[in-house]
Amino acid sequence: DGGITQSPKYLFRKEGQNVTLSCEQNLNHDAMYWYRQDPGQGLRLIYYSQIVNDFQKGDIAEGYSVSREKKESFPLTVTSAQKNPTAFYLCASSFTGGSNGYTFGSGTRLTVV
Amino acid sequence: GIQVEQSPPDLILQEGANSTLRCNFSDSVNNLQWFHQNPWGQLINLFYIPSGTKQNGRLSATTVATERYSLLYISSSQTTDSGVYFCAVESNYGQNFVFGPGTRLSVLP
Repeated sequence: DGGITQSPKYLFRKEGQNVTLSCEQNLNHDAMYWYRQDPGQGLRLIYYSQIVNDFQKGDIAEGYSVSREKKESFPLTVTSAQKNPTAFYLCASSFTGGSNGYTFGSGTRLTVV
Repeated sequence: GIQVEQSPPDLILQEGANSTLRCNFSDSVNNLQWFHQNPWGQLINLFYIPSGTKQNGRLSATTVATERYSLLYISSSQTTDSGVYFCAVESNYGQNFVFGPGTRLSVLP
C-alpha cells in the first residue's frame, strides 16, 4: 500500500544536539512538506520542496535544514540553533500544485531534555 | 498571504447531535482540504473540496469559493468524531496549503 512514513515516532534530544527526522513516501508525489505543531495550536510550515534538489523556506525555517536528494525522501534536521524545538513534527506530500490534496505521515514528537 | 479562520474554536456535543463547522478564507483559492486530527496526532484527510459539495457517510462538505467559505457537516455524531478539525487552503498564488487554527470537537457519550 502506498503511504508516507515518518520515523521515529518519539525522539528525545539533549540541548545543543542536532537531530534528523525521517520522512519517506511511496506515493510518487512530487512535492513534500514539513510542518510544526505546538500543543493546542495549528500547523506552521517549516520547509517545502516541489522537486528533487530544490526546496523553499516556509514561515518558520530558522533553526531547521532539509535536503531533497531523492523524490521519495525529505529529511528534516533540527539544529542546535532552533531555540524551542520541542514540538510535534508532521510531514506531508502531494502532487505538484496540491491537486488531490495532501497526505500526512503520523508525525514525530520531539522533546528536548 | 491568505488568512484562514475557523469557527467555532471549541464545540461540545452530545452523541447523536449534528454540527456545522465553518472555514472562512481571505482570498481566492485553488485548493481546499478538511482534516481530522485524532487524539494520537494523526491527520486524516476528510475531503479535498476546492468547490462544490461532497458526502462521505455521516460527513459532508460544501465550498462556496466565490463567497470564500467552506462548511463541514457532521451528522449523528459519535465519540470517535472527537478531535480537532482543520481547514487548509492554497491560494491562487501560493505553492502550499495554509492551515486554519482548527475547531476542537468533543462528543460526549
